[in-house]
Amino acid sequence: DAGVIQSPRHEVTEMGQEVTLRCKPISGHDYLFWYRQTMMRGLELLIYFNNNVPIDDSGMPEDRFSAKMPNASFSTLKIQPSEPRDSAVYFCASSFSAWEQFFGPGTRLTVL
Amino acid sequence: KNEVEQSPQNLTAQEGEFITINCSYSVGISALHWLQQHPGGGIVSLFMLSSGKKKHGRLIATINIQEKHSSLHITASHPRDSAVYICAVTTGNQFYFGTGTSLTVIP
Repeated sequence: DAGVIQSPRHEVTEMGQEVTLRCKPISGHDYLFWYRQTMMRGLELLIYFNNNVPIDDSGMPEDRFSAKMPNASFSTLKIQPSEPRDSAVYFCASSFSAWEQFFGPGTRLTVL
Repeated sequence: KNEVEQSPQNLTAQEGEFITINCSYSVGISALHWLQQHPGGGIVSLFMLSSGKKKHGRLIATINIQEKHSSLHITASHPRDSAVYICAVTTGNQFYFGTGTSLTVIP
């Protein structure tokens, strides 16, 4: 298996633009997690899905952030409109039965 | 209030030294994870444990459920162990993360 795949790996955009981050979990995993990492706040869990259903989105910072999982092999995290304070590395991870998580390489987002 | 506290925040060691990183938590957990993040940014899950001890190569993780404490030990440390080590706990449907311990091993 190729592991968790994230795209793009790097994204630079201007304030106000819409940003869409993509994630393909490991086949057979039933949990998918979206994290954000910044120097100031460290690693934060934004939202996670179980069997494509969002379970806990209490970590989503505000309404500008939305996440979807239309099927077991694909998820998106969208920021609209983006702001400079959204600049961070966004990680996607997947697991089987919420146990050991396997992380993707991350998407480094820079909002100018 | 942080549900997960790690210590130390930063650690510098000489190659070959025995290293211990500590993690204390305040919630009831179903599992505890130790993660490793190298300077390149990738995150790797080292251990997931809910009791006792696990060993993988030079790494050992222990957990004491009664004391709500876990330790990550590195024996015969090497410069390639230089990374940030993150402790995370799950209560079943909630996840909490420590702020990480930045380890630098000097040759």
